[in-house]
Amino acid sequence: DQQVKQNSPSLSVQEGRISILNCDYTNSMFDYFLWYKKYPAEGPTFLISISSIKDKNEDGRFTVFLNKSAKHLSLHIVPSQPGDSAVYFCAAAVNEKLTFGTGTRLTIIP
Amino acid sequence: GAVVSQHPSRVICKSGTSVKIECRSLDFQATTMFWYRQFPKQSLMLMATSNEGSKATYEQGVEKDKFLINHASLTLSTLTVTSAHPEDSSFYICSARSWDRGRNQPQHFGDGTRLSIL
Repeated sequence: DQQVKQNSPSLSVQEGRISILNCDYTNSMFDYFLWYKKYPAEGPTFLISISSIKDKNEDGRFTVFLNKSAKHLSLHIVPSQPGDSAVYFCAAAVNEKLTFGTGTRLTIIP
Repeated sequence: GAVVSQHPSRVICKSGTSVKIECRSLDFQATTMFWYRQFPKQSLMLMATSNEGSKATYEQGVEKDKFLINHASLTLSTLTVTSAHPEDSSFYICSARSWDRGRNQPQHFGDGTRLSIL
């Protein structure tokens, strides 16, 4: 039972454009959501998070949107840069425990 | 900041061997450390949560006698896979988080250990 789903295994975006990564969840008890970025042979790196009481959190080029009624969150990266090419994982937390999605591989095309 | 070091990065050993994996928080004190396992093309699955100085809490289906976790200090946790068998071959990754500014901070991950049991 996959409680956190990232339905797009891969995404290609032109440099300078907006990258939008999506994540859906099924457990309404999740109260905190995070995005991690992962390069090959490295562990996930924390990017940005959002509490369930908010619907938007912004940090530089990264913005996370949360739609609780749809049980959907998204990560927007703008403008996209070549260094953003990586695998992105969304994670959802309840009682401080994280459940991860399967990841989306983002490729930024120069 | 928030660097987590995991060692070794890769282990290949014979069936029946016990393998120890170390996870260290290098520049912060980790009140809690987590151990995850990842099978190919699947997401990270939480195995256990450990708080410094107390016994680890294991997720359902994870054998505590098979996967021994020790969290003896605020900067070190170890996972020992006892009497490893080929089905234990997997990618194991740790994370650590601190308590700061009145709340739990996000988990920071090590680079993982690829365990292969022959």
